[in-house]
Amino acid sequence: DAGVTQSPTHLIKTRGQHVTLRCSPISGHKSVSWYQQVLGQGPQFIFQYYEKEERGRGNFPDRFSARQFPNYSSELNVNALLLGDSALYLCASSREPVRQPQHFGDGTRLSIL
Amino acid sequence: AQKITQTQPGMFVQEKEAVTLDCTYDTSDQSYGLFWYKQPSSGEMIFLIYQGSYDEQNATEGRYSLNFQKARKSANLVISASQLGDSAMYFCAMREDSSASKIIFGSGTRLSIRP
Repeated sequence: DAGVTQSPTHLIKTRGQHVTLRCSPISGHKSVSWYQQVLGQGPQFIFQYYEKEERGRGNFPDRFSARQFPNYSSELNVNALLLGDSALYLCASSREPVRQPQHFGDGTRLSIL
Repeated sequence: AQKITQTQPGMFVQEKEAVTLDCTYDTSDQSYGLFWYKQPSSGEMIFLIYQGSYDEQNATEGRYSLNFQKARKSANLVISASQLGDSAMYFCAMREDSSASKIIFGSGTRLSIRP
C-alpha cells in the first residue's frame, strides 16, 4: 500500500504570495493532520481533519487554512506568505483521531524569498 | 498543559551498543498516548513505537523498546544493538485523549552512531 503522499516536494515563493500544499492519506485512513517543522525544531501542530471536519487547530494565524475532501485527501493553504513561513510542512494520516499512530509523508519544503 | 521535554540535544554511540534516549512529559490527563518518531536527514518522519497510558507492559518493536515509568512521567526509548542506519533525529511525542486532535513533539535528540 502507498504511504502518505505530499505534493509538491519543494516550493519556492516570495513574500505576500499564497501557496497550496496537498496530501493524500494512506488508503483507509480518514484523519489527516498538518504540521510545520522549522529547521532545528520539532513539528508544530497546525490542523487536524477527520471525516471532512476540522477537529483541531494549533496556534497559527488565520492566514493558514485547510480542508479535507470526500476522498479524505487534504489541502493546506497559506496566504500572505512571510519569511517565517519557510519550513518543512508535514502531513500525517491515521485511521482515527485517537489511539492510532500517525504516519507521515515526506513533507513539502517551502522556501520564502 | 501538555509538554514534552527531551534533554539530550545530541548523542554519540558506538555501533552495536545500546542507547537510551530520554523523554519526560507533563499532562493532567489520565488517558494519553506516547510516540517515538525517527527523522533521517532526508526529512521523513518514521513511526517507531507507541505506548498507551493504560498499557501495563512496556511497548516493544524489534530493536526498539519504550521504558515507560508512569509515576515519573518518563517514556525513554531504548535502541538495542545500534546500527549505522540509526543515525537520525529522534522525536518523542504525546497525544492527550481529551484533545485527541493534537500531538505535541519534543525538541528532538540527534543520535550519531560511530562505526
